[in-house]
Amino acid sequence: ETGVTQTPRHLVMGMTNKKSLKCEQHLGHNAMYWYKQSAKKPLELMFVYNFKEQTENNSVPSRFSPECPNSSHLFLHLHTLQPEDSALYLCASSQDRTGFEFFGPGTRLTVL
Amino acid sequence: AQKVTQAQTEISVVEKEDVTLDCVYETRDTTYYLFWYKQPPSGELVFLIRRNSFDEQNEISGRYSWNFQKSTSSFNFTITASQVVDSAVYFCALSETFYNFNKFYFGSGTKLNVKP
Repeated sequence: ETGVTQTPRHLVMGMTNKKSLKCEQHLGHNAMYWYKQSAKKPLELMFVYNFKEQTENNSVPSRFSPECPNSSHLFLHLHTLQPEDSALYLCASSQDRTGFEFFGPGTRLTVL
Repeated sequence: AQKVTQAQTEISVVEKEDVTLDCVYETRDTTYYLFWYKQPPSGELVFLIRRNSFDEQNEISGRYSWNFQKSTSSFNFTITASQVVDSAVYFCALSETFYNFNKFYFGSGTKLNVKP
């Protein structure tokens, strides 16, 4: 596989569930990002990891917990979510200051 | 204030018409990047073009063309002879560099409907 992959592509969960989203990039990039895309809203940056260190956290609620074990993998752990957290979650990667992000296909999350 | 503004929420055209998607941005940086992405119904964001702030040359790629004007802080995107497959949401984005990563600001998107 090439590029940025995300699993699962679709996820339905209850408010008491715990689940994780996975992102993997095969591009040798050192920065990885989580974005949230809600209906009728601009894409919102959630987290940025650079060389496995979290460099940005855009005031995201603690029910979203990121993990970056290495520069190729990024996880988003979810617990006790709310229905308003239903959205498309996009992962992206970039190489330093190239100003270029590759996006994964996204995970469509529905919280019941 | 919003850094990237796409004033057109939705545009509908008939196939073979030309259509221009507007993008206005705001930044205090002298070095930045501008992008256009296409998001088809499948959801994946597809990169179309990147332009750095020092390159105001307009670009043409097949039926796509981009007009970058720093004087008006605009980076407009034109599709010539539109096709049904062009139907998608198009996002304009601004990238500012912070240390070793890039912070992206996306516009709210313009939904383009191309009817046969």
